[in-house]
Amino acid sequence: GAGVSQTPSNKVTEKGKYVELRCDPISGHTALYWYRQSLGQGPEFLIYFQGTGAADDSGLPNDRFFAVRPEGSVSTLKIQRTERGDSAVYLCASSPGTRMDTQYFGPGTRLTVL
Amino acid sequence: SQQGEEDPQALSIQEGENATMNCSYKTSINNLQWYRQNSGRGLVHLILIRSNEREKHSGRLRVTLDTSKKSSSLLITASRAADTASYFCATYSNDYKLSFGAGTTVTVRA
Repeated sequence: GAGVSQTPSNKVTEKGKYVELRCDPISGHTALYWYRQSLGQGPEFLIYFQGTGAADDSGLPNDRFFAVRPEGSVSTLKIQRTERGDSAVYLCASSPGTRMDTQYFGPGTRLTVL
Repeated sequence: SQQGEEDPQALSIQEGENATMNCSYKTSINNLQWYRQNSGRGLVHLILIRSNEREKHSGRLRVTLDTSKKSSSLLITASRAADTASYFCATYSNDYKLSFGAGTTVTVRA
């Protein structure tokens, strides 16, 4: 079946602009995760959804970052007033349930803030 | 904060040779997972080893786990150019939050 998909694959924006990154999880997966990966580092947790609700958003760096999953499937990560330090690869993952499942990752969105 | 640490940071080998990389972690775990990442993009899940397992195989991959030393190793046998990638170990810091190390970059020379 189809894996996790993310759009766009690349996004270049200017400092101060608003961006939206989309994630389409594997069908039937109730858990969805966002991670951010800076150059030379491993991914770092941002937010976790179980169904429609954000069960843990403790990894979001500040209130410029927000994510939604209104129907329990597709999720959108929203970044307001982008800064150069937001440049990174944003990865989305999904899993069938919750407790310590294997997480399946999408190809990521490379965000560049000029 | 990152739970795991991979060693070495980088590894260069000849095609056909074996590649070994290690991962150390800090807290007790339920399972440990290894992922591969090509060209800084999506991670591909390679293998999951549970805390009550000591060794696991998948094709040319062999993973070991030593919970007493809080360490794991990933061995890739008979490496190929397509194995060139970054490899990450990951553990759960709670029921759903995966924590990754900084990864080992493997280059397989033809």
